[in-house]
Amino acid sequence: GIQVEQSPPDLILQEGANSTLRCNFSDSVNNLQWFHQNPWGQLINLFYIPSGTKQNGRLSATTVATERYSLLYISSSQTTDSGVYFCAGSYNQGGKLIFGQGTELSVKP
Amino acid sequence: EAGVAQSPRYKIIEKRQSVAFWCNPISGHATLYWYQQILGQGPKLLIQFQNNGVVDDSQLPKDRFSAERLKGVDSTLKIQPAKLEDSAVYLCASRPWTGGAKTQYFGPGTRLLVL
Repeated sequence: GIQVEQSPPDLILQEGANSTLRCNFSDSVNNLQWFHQNPWGQLINLFYIPSGTKQNGRLSATTVATERYSLLYISSSQTTDSGVYFCAGSYNQGGKLIFGQGTELSVKP
Repeated sequence: EAGVAQSPRYKIIEKRQSVAFWCNPISGHATLYWYQQILGQGPKLLIQFQNNGVVDDSQLPKDRFSAERLKGVDSTLKIQPAKLEDSAVYLCASRPWTGGAKTQYFGPGTRLLVL
């Protein structure tokens, strides 16, 4: 099956710093999504981005489908950005998501 | 628009007991998913419904887990009997079947601890 690899596994930032999270897929995927899992366990949708670039405030994402990777950019990080970031993709019409292991981000004040 | 609802939020049981979780998807979403998230890992699909039919249950431990979506709306996931390794967060998600972006929306999850 498809393997999803996220890097780095852990990241510690000072408030105000920028960061880039990466997601690599072993095969072509569609329905690629980025999520933020907050400390209470809720998975919050950040982006649906099977290809191209999108921006939402301080966050942006780029997916290069032909090279099977996606990047999530966080600018001017805040303590509320802390949590685990997951990317996930599906490879069939049914949409079953295959998740990476996540990147745990900690933003210090 | 109301999100995906799940209950209970937390459950503690002893091994060999049974437990049931409930999910109400976003209105109009034909596709419903149950995922299991073990601590420190990403969620993994247990079962997928399209309306009230099962699309994918290949990863569901059918000797102890069962799920149903009788009227194509709400769904129930049951574990009987529970094992220690079933301790996890159980996440329900839904999405439209056709049209537009195939974004999955997740509920808050049910955190299960088996003692």
